[in-house]
Amino acid sequence: ETGVTQSPTHLIKTRGQQVTLRCSSQSGHNTVSWYQQALGQGPQFIFQYYREEENGRGNFPPRFSGLQFPNYSSELNVNALELDDSALYLCASSPEVGAGYTFGSGTRLTVV
Amino acid sequence: RKEVEQDPGPFNVPEGATVAFNCTYSNSASQSFFWYRQDCRKEPKLLMSVYSSGNEDGRFTAQLNRASQYISLLIRDSKLSDSATYLCVVNILGYQFYFGTGTSLTVIP
Repeated sequence: ETGVTQSPTHLIKTRGQQVTLRCSSQSGHNTVSWYQQALGQGPQFIFQYYREEENGRGNFPPRFSGLQFPNYSSELNVNALELDDSALYLCASSPEVGAGYTFGSGTRLTVV
Repeated sequence: RKEVEQDPGPFNVPEGATVAFNCTYSNSASQSFFWYRQDCRKEPKLLMSVYSSGNEDGRFTAQLNRASQYISLLIRDSKLSDSATYLCVVNILGYQFYFGTGTSLTVIP
């Protein structure tokens, strides 16, 4: 059974650029969530997808958007990058809404 | 007010010690509760779910007090490998998990 995999592991972008982060859910998990973790903070909920539909969103602006595909893999897109977007972005999947998550190892984004 | 509050520590304890972490949450509609462990520069990993009846997994015991909106984690006989940040997590709306900022633990030889 494969876990949650994320790509890329590290990324450096310039302010104003756009970025796409990718996630493959754990086998059998139809729910995927994205979190942003700044240094020294706990993960902050961005949004969740269930069966290709967004079913919950945290306090993030619309320039943070996502997709979930029929195979339950997912993307996080961030437009017009700002310096404060520098963080670890975590993808997490679960077998059902509300169940405990399995996290991927994250993508560390640096915006310069 | 934050949804989940934790004492950030750090907690520095000798091997073999017992250590307890506490966490409070603000929303009485919270539905499920978890403790996660996060090693430096790694992803969080589920340590255990927390139930009202309390639950134990080896050296780890978790307790939930809904009336006081309080969650605890007790680690007995601490090992060097227990050194990590422990995150308290509360699920309020079914889909949204709120994480505390984490409590840092270092077990000293």
